[in-house]
Amino acid sequence: SAVISQKPSRDICQRGTSLTIQCQVDSQVTMMFWYRQQPGQSLTLIATANQGSEATYESGFVIDKFPISRPNLTFSTLTVSNMSPEDSSIYLCSISRDRGPYEQYFGPGTRLTVT
Amino acid sequence: GQNIDQPTEMTATEGAIVQINCTYQTSGFNGLFWYQQHAGEAPTFLSYNVLDGLEEKGRFSSFLSRSKGYSYLLLKELQMKDSASYLCAVRDPMTTDSWGKLQFGAGTQVVVTP
Repeated sequence: SAVISQKPSRDICQRGTSLTIQCQVDSQVTMMFWYRQQPGQSLTLIATANQGSEATYESGFVIDKFPISRPNLTFSTLTVSNMSPEDSSIYLCSISRDRGPYEQYFGPGTRLTVT
Repeated sequence: GQNIDQPTEMTATEGAIVQINCTYQTSGFNGLFWYQQHAGEAPTFLSYNVLDGLEEKGRFSSFLSRSKGYSYLLLKELQMKDSASYLCAVRDPMTTDSWGKLQFGAGTQVVVTP
């Protein structure tokens, strides 16, 4: 399976600032996803990032707050903008294998704390 | 959308068997996945079912009944390292621009005791 890395692994940020999280994959993949996992909770899909097109956001998530870039088939970024303490969470990128059963594999996550 | 239910926590002793149930109500179905997540780590893929029946992978097995909206993950010969959260995820039907997104249950925390 592909190797997925994320940077930074963790950060502590002040309210009102923005943080960009990078996700790098060691092979080309079509589908990449961004999830949020709040403490003690399950994963919530933020958006699907396809190369060459706008990201598709889930209900409750908007582009102004979580802009996503997908410049090529091995890289994506998620920005958390104008942060508040409610944004404190783990953010994970994942990829979908390009053949059945199209299971998803996750990066190690970015632990964000907003003060 | 999907409504996915799992027990919050289960405790079992080393060497025993534990069965984690997952029930779902769906507006569409394109497969069910089980993931394992150790504390502070990313989820790792365990198993996939799309047809009814049992899939076996070593000490782990997963079962699906589509007519009942029901799956279980069976962990045999439990080891201490199996202490983790187990996530049930149902995939939406594929569309022209997506393989079908995953909807995750809240996860079942399995605690293995000596």
